[in-house]
Amino acid sequence: DSGVTQTPKHLITATGQRVTLRCSPRSGDLSVYWYQQSLDQGLQFLIQYYNGEERAKGNILERFSAQQFPDLHSELNLSSLELGDSALYFCASSPGSYNEQFFGPGTRLTVL
Amino acid sequence: AQKVTQAQTEISVVEKEDVTLDCVYETRDTTYYLFWYKQPPSGELVFLIRRNSFDEQNEISGRYSWNFQKSTSSFNFTITASQVVDSAVYFCALSALNNAGNMLTFGGGTRLMVKP
Repeated sequence: DSGVTQTPKHLITATGQRVTLRCSPRSGDLSVYWYQQSLDQGLQFLIQYYNGEERAKGNILERFSAQQFPDLHSELNLSSLELGDSALYFCASSPGSYNEQFFGPGTRLTVL
Repeated sequence: AQKVTQAQTEISVVEKEDVTLDCVYETRDTTYYLFWYKQPPSGELVFLIRRNSFDEQNEISGRYSWNFQKSTSSFNFTITASQVVDSAVYFCALSALNNAGNMLTFGGGTRLMVKP
């Protein structure tokens, strides 16, 4: 158990819908990261927050947005969902901005 | 741009065999970190090791060992006396130390199957 929690574990929804994925980092970690794992794209970095501020951005679609709240938990919002958004979404956390990242169990999103 | 290549997509061994997973990386940064993560069938990503670009010492942890060679841009992972529980997908990853944050660039992964 890495100490990073993600909810929900599974999410099934329809095209065009909007969902919110939630992540609680390990106690004391200030950085939160989001990654997408799909069969065709592999593991891809989406975005990093450090202590509430956006720190780095990867190949995140405009339909996707994230934020980190004052209590350091983070949410990833996915809107106008498409079939291709079906994937495993991981959250990770680290103490600072450049440490090893510890991953949560992931949220499996299925878009029908 | 950074790139990580794991040429072996799938490896199958019999229990107690030694196995080496290859990782080759590309980066223009002079300071960077290399990682290995394990993804067992349950799906979570488990951190195994982090190495910085200035430390080329090999590392051993139990049955696991890592060989970092800057000259060939490789960071290979060896499991000695493999066990069925080692069956998983293993990912090599790279992170550059720059102002662009701490994004991990992952390789495509190597699926290791250890048969009893």
